[in-house]
Amino acid sequence: DAKTTQPPSMDCAEGRAANLPCNHSTISGNEYVYWYRQIHSQGPQYIIHGLKNNETNEMASLIITEDRKSSTLILPHATLRDTAVYYCIGGGTNDMRFGAGTRLTVKP
Amino acid sequence: GAVVSQHPSRVICKSGTSVKIECRSLDFQATTMFWYRQFPKKSLMLMATSNEGSKATYEQGVEKDKFLINHASLTLSTLTVTSAHPEDSSFYICSARDHGQGNYGYTFGSGTRLTVV
Repeated sequence: DAKTTQPPSMDCAEGRAANLPCNHSTISGNEYVYWYRQIHSQGPQYIIHGLKNNETNEMASLIITEDRKSSTLILPHATLRDTAVYYCIGGGTNDMRFGAGTRLTVKP
Repeated sequence: GAVVSQHPSRVICKSGTSVKIECRSLDFQATTMFWYRQFPKKSLMLMATSNEGSKATYEQGVEKDKFLINHASLTLSTLTVTSAHPEDSSFYICSARDHGQGNYGYTFGSGTRLTVV
């Protein structure tokens, strides 16, 4: 798995877009970028993943830079229920290892 | 979508006793499952990889004789914390990968909060 770096915490106003960055400069060519989130005392929840192209689903959008060294998870209209720790993971071929993540707090 | 069920969600046990935690893939077969532990305000730490029909692979620093893993079927892996001590109190989480879903990563159980008194 690639080493990932994320800011430890971020705040976002309710209804605004939340943009969570992740640096994964050591990611190899065949490793995916995965995003999960964990709400207090629950198991991690899958959000989205991508390899090279930008991806969008009902939860979020994932923007991956052309050199694949970083990505940004976008929650287009953050709600209070999006308050959680967000984990960016590079790899996932053989296992899933977590970094420290970003604690996102959505404020009213 | 893929669902992983973990049981129990909470357990309190006395020091010296053993506790078994079950992890089941409900709608898919998982040849590989993973066990994590998480301390308060910390990230998930991979403990071991559970392989169906063979021995588990433990991460460095994790005692295999203390954390017994059995993966006897394609839908069930168990983690037994033996001779539990208060320092084993933690949040234990399992995950499994549905290979039929391509590269959709791993599905996680809801976790088990173990308290050793």
